[in-house]
Amino acid sequence: QVQLQESGPGLVRPSGTLSLTCAVSGGSISTSNWWSWVRQTPDKGLQWIGEIDLNGVTNFNPSLKSRVSISIDKSKSQISLNLNSVTAADTAVYFCARHLLTTPGFDVWGQGTLVTVSS
Amino acid sequence: EIVLTQSPGTLSLSPGERATLSCRTSHSVASTYVLWYQQKPGQAPRLLIYDIFTRAAGIPDRFSGSGSGTDFTLTISRLEPEDSAVYYCQHYGRSPPMYTFGQGTKLEIK
Repeated sequence: QVQLQESGPGLVRPSGTLSLTCAVSGGSISTSNWWSWVRQTPDKGLQWIGEIDLNGVTNFNPSLKSRVSISIDKSKSQISLNLNSVTAADTAVYFCARHLLTTPGFDVWGQGTLVTVSS
Repeated sequence: EIVLTQSPGTLSLSPGERATLSCRTSHSVASTYVLWYQQKPGQAPRLLIYDIFTRAAGIPDRFSGSGSGTDFTLTISRLEPEDSAVYYCQHYGRSPPMYTFGQGTKLEIK
């Protein structure tokens, strides 16, 4: 079955750019039309960051839209996240997730990766 | 912007009992756009229920979803110790696309 694995630096400096990659394994990236990034903090809980489809069409959370980009590389079965101008408020566990085919929700999640923003 | 309010914040029950978890939306929504997840410490959320009452793959029939309008419920019958977790509801809004989560209900099995 499809598995997702997030990777990237665990520490990012304030004002820098957070960059993460989600590797899809155990099945084709085409098992879903859409893929998302979600983050989790103790105080704000689960927060959807944005989504991308297999053609590269993206949608973002309005609260993050000005700072975020998501891309997809179907040849490498990877989805990437970039979040710029980070602050301590961006410290979170970041998950990538596969969308259900029929309903807007997430049926497969990566294990998550903790990113800390600190100098 | 829609707000999802889950109650209670914490629920403490014994094995074999029934848990009723509530998710209230700030305005009426399409039922098919409310989903439920389970999250255990150190793990990613796990999809439980979608399309109102459809269980995700591998989810036992002790888990059931219901609701409409602004009030949605996740019911877990015959509680087992492994059901200890935080449960989240999630809503999808179409215009613009937006996925919103509730703040979660922590279920403790005594």
